[in-house]
Amino acid sequence: EADIYQTPRYLVIGTGKKITLECSQTMGHDKMYWYQQDPGMELHLIHYSYGVNSTEKGDLSSESTVSRIRTEHFPLTLESARPSHTSQYLCASSEPLRQGADTFGSGTRLTVV
Amino acid sequence: AQTVTQSQPEMSVQEAETVTLSCTYDTSESDYYLFWYKQPPSRQMILVIRQEAYKQQNATENRFSVNFQKAAKSFSLKISDSQLGDAAMYFCAYRDYGGATNKLIFGTGTLLAVQP
Repeated sequence: EADIYQTPRYLVIGTGKKITLECSQTMGHDKMYWYQQDPGMELHLIHYSYGVNSTEKGDLSSESTVSRIRTEHFPLTLESARPSHTSQYLCASSEPLRQGADTFGSGTRLTVV
Repeated sequence: AQTVTQSQPEMSVQEAETVTLSCTYDTSESDYYLFWYKQPPSRQMILVIRQEAYKQQNATENRFSVNFQKAAKSFSLKISDSQLGDAAMYFCAYRDYGGATNKLIFGTGTLLAVQP
């Protein structure tokens, strides 16, 4: 069973609206990530965090922002949604061990109309 | 920069048969980790198998095994006795600890279809 939770699972929203995608994990992991993935395509890292009050932009430029006020919570916000933001957004966290794998949430499929 | 390449966008296998998915990577690091992840349609991405670069023995998890060739920088996934539930997108991924980010680097994925 997943220990990392994303809500909502699906979201259809109008252009210009502000949205927040929620991501929470119960494993106490310090490292967390947000990926953007178009259907059937590769993952692109857009944000990551190594702990509370630590956030960095990833490889793919994104107009979204993130915050990390609590270890377990890593929300992503879009201040003004546009159709170009339509995509799937995946949240993940890493085990602390060097050989640790990442655990992924179920994703939020965002459609901006 | 490290890169991961999956040269097979799509593969197909008959149920109960064996299929091998290819992955190559490029790195100058000697200590790193490789992973195969599975993403079923509209479902969560899950870890299939992992391999530590300093271990020569190939990892095995039930019907899933890897052929890790460090010198060739190759990391293929073999699925034996394929089942309908194996149909998914499979991503090869790499991680090292030589830089600051330690992030996973993914390939472009291979879509596996399983024919009954």
